[in-house]
Amino acid sequence: QQQVKQSPQSLIVQKGGISIINCAYENTAFDYFPWYQQFPGKGPALLIAIRPDVSEKKEGRFTISFNKSAKQFSLHIMDSQPGDSATYFCAASMYDTGNQFYFGTGTSLTVIP
Amino acid sequence: GAVVSQHPSRVICKSGTSVKIECRSLDFQATTMFWYRQFPKQSLMLMATSNEGSKATYEQGVEKDKFLINHASLTLSTLTVTSAHPEDSSFYICSAVRVAGPIFGPGTRLTVL
Repeated sequence: QQQVKQSPQSLIVQKGGISIINCAYENTAFDYFPWYQQFPGKGPALLIAIRPDVSEKKEGRFTISFNKSAKQFSLHIMDSQPGDSATYFCAASMYDTGNQFYFGTGTSLTVIP
Repeated sequence: GAVVSQHPSRVICKSGTSVKIECRSLDFQATTMFWYRQFPKQSLMLMATSNEGSKATYEQGVEKDKFLINHASLTLSTLTVTSAHPEDSSFYICSAVRVAGPIFGPGTRLTVL
C-alpha cells in the first residue's frame, strides 16, 4: 500500500516557468514532510521540508504548500532552470518511528532551455 | 556538514558471489540506519532498519538470509548481498538517522552478471 501518493509521474517545463508537484497522504500521524531531489546515479538530497503546524515554507525558489485538512502538500519551483532537471520525491514520516520515511513514487522533471 | 558515504559506489560481480556494501556516517553517530533499494525510474523501497548492536528489522518480503545487515558501530552499517543473482541488480541506498533528519548516502550501483 502506497502511503504517499505523488503526481505527476513526469513533468516538462520551460525555463523560467513554475514546476508544481503534488503529494497526498492518508496517515494523520505523519508530522514531517520533506522533499528530496535526486540526480541520476546519486542518492536523494534534502531540498526543503515542512511540519504540519505551518501552511507554507519558502526557501529561495522552492516553496512547499501544506493543506492539513486535505492531507496534501505540494512543491513549487519558481523560475525553473535546466539545472533543476532531476527526480523529485516527496516523503512523510513520524518522528517516533526513528526517521523511517515513506516516499512518494517520484516525479521526473525536465526543464527545457 | 554531516555526510554519509557508501562504498563501493559501483560494483559488478558474477552470479553466485557475495557483495558487501558499506554505509558510514561521517562526523556524527547514527544508532539507526536504513537500507533502501531503488530500481530504475522508481521510488526508494525500504528494505530494512539497521540498529547498532542489535539485529536488523526487515520489511515484509525482504529475505533476511539474502540481505545480511550488520551495524557493528555507531558509524558503520554493512549490507551483504549473498549469492547474488541478476535480479539483485539495483541501486542500493542507505540513510543515517540524526535528530535533524536523515541523511542519505550517494548509493551503490550493483550489477550482477
